[in-house]
Amino acid sequence: GESVGLHLPTLSVQEGDNSIINCAYSNSASDYFIWYKQESGKGPQFIIDIRSNMDKRQGQRVTVLLNKTVKHLSLQIAATQPGDSAVYFCADETGTASKLTFGTGTRLQVTL
Amino acid sequence: ETGVTQSPTHLIKTRGQQVTLRCSSQSGHNTVSWYQQALGQGPQFIFQYYREEENGRGNFPPRFSGLQFPNYSSELNVNALELDDSALYLCASHLQVSSGANVLTFGAGSRLTVL
Repeated sequence: GESVGLHLPTLSVQEGDNSIINCAYSNSASDYFIWYKQESGKGPQFIIDIRSNMDKRQGQRVTVLLNKTVKHLSLQIAATQPGDSAVYFCADETGTASKLTFGTGTRLQVTL
Repeated sequence: ETGVTQSPTHLIKTRGQQVTLRCSSQSGHNTVSWYQQALGQGPQFIFQYYREEENGRGNFPPRFSGLQFPNYSSELNVNALELDDSALYLCASHLQVSSGANVLTFGAGSRLTVL
């Protein structure tokens, strides 16, 4: 079946550095991609999204890049802070509105 | 505005029992989705309810069923519980619109343990 996966299960970065979390997707028909952040004991929290007709979208301290040629998605976090420590999921939406397919997740650890 | 609230937060059941999980959607949201998140995994779509009817279903057996009420709150029912049903069950709501992205707001989840 279709899947959304992540390259690295755990990413450790120093406070103040930039973080890059990668994600590969397999469904070429996917037209909407979202990044979620999940802290311990909480539900996923929306970070940023991007449509398939875009290559890049920026938010506050976050940037999502989409490369449709290689079916790759990345989340860049600038000046990573301890509060950014969490598990990050990419997800894609295809067909049925708001039915999301999530990847396994990448744990981001911010060291002081 | 209030967020998505779920109850109970934790519960323990034994195999074969039945469970009902509840969700109050965010104010202004008319659509609710349920997801199952096993430990160390990403959430998996169970089903979605819109206007009190099921509006899409993932790869889950019929013993997983749901309801949506006129106030847009929702229930997830699971019959004949199995050990593999142990997971965090997430409810997410959004306002269904004809165009544009539908950003889901998730609750904190109900942690179900089946013994």
